[in-house]
Amino acid sequence: EAQVTQNPRYLITVTGKKLTVTCSQNMNHEYMSWYRQDPGLGLRQIYYSMNVEVTDKGDVPEGYKVSRKEKRNFPLILESPSPNQTSLYFCASSVRPRETQYFGPGTRLLVL
Amino acid sequence: EDQVTQSPEALRLQEGESSSLNCSYTVSGLRGLFWYRQDPGKGPEFLFTLYSAGEEKEKERLKATLTKKESFLHITAPKPEDSATYLCAVQERGNNRLAFGKGNQVVVIP
Repeated sequence: EAQVTQNPRYLITVTGKKLTVTCSQNMNHEYMSWYRQDPGLGLRQIYYSMNVEVTDKGDVPEGYKVSRKEKRNFPLILESPSPNQTSLYFCASSVRPRETQYFGPGTRLLVL
Repeated sequence: EDQVTQSPEALRLQEGESSSLNCSYTVSGLRGLFWYRQDPGKGPEFLFTLYSAGEEKEKERLKATLTKKESFLHITAPKPEDSATYLCAVQERGNNRLAFGKGNQVVVIP
């Protein structure tokens, strides 16, 4: 089954404790992206990747890092999480940027 | 200034009462406009992609149309299972980012 998977689905952590949210797709897509969704603000793009070793900033990249060492994986790293990064995070992938993006199930993060 | 504005923010419909959702955008050159459906706590689910003014796409009770400044998502004779938040997103030419609107929350009452 073609899908985008994210882990963990739920995470509670404390300020400053580094964490990684994994994202994996099995559709051989080149384009992958991370979003955060907050009430009243909608979905905002954090980072995207056009292909392996090619990443670029979205609209809200501060406080986040990403890497793309393999085509199927695109982890999101929070080196020193803060409470304002409490949010619902989605990973997505597509063949190319202008094509349909397929979203993962989401990761709900709470930073205390 | 937001590139994508959706209206109305929230809409309550009686079952069978047709209506339209609006997505207006301000990008200088449109590469693509996307409609998604999102159920609470779940990831957005793809509905339609539109690429040029005049284009229309249809799926069951939903029909999406596109002009040079806006897109409409028409819901014909909605059913309770059409209750969801509908998201519009645009991609600008020369830009690989995707900008989303804040969504239209639709509730269909039996």
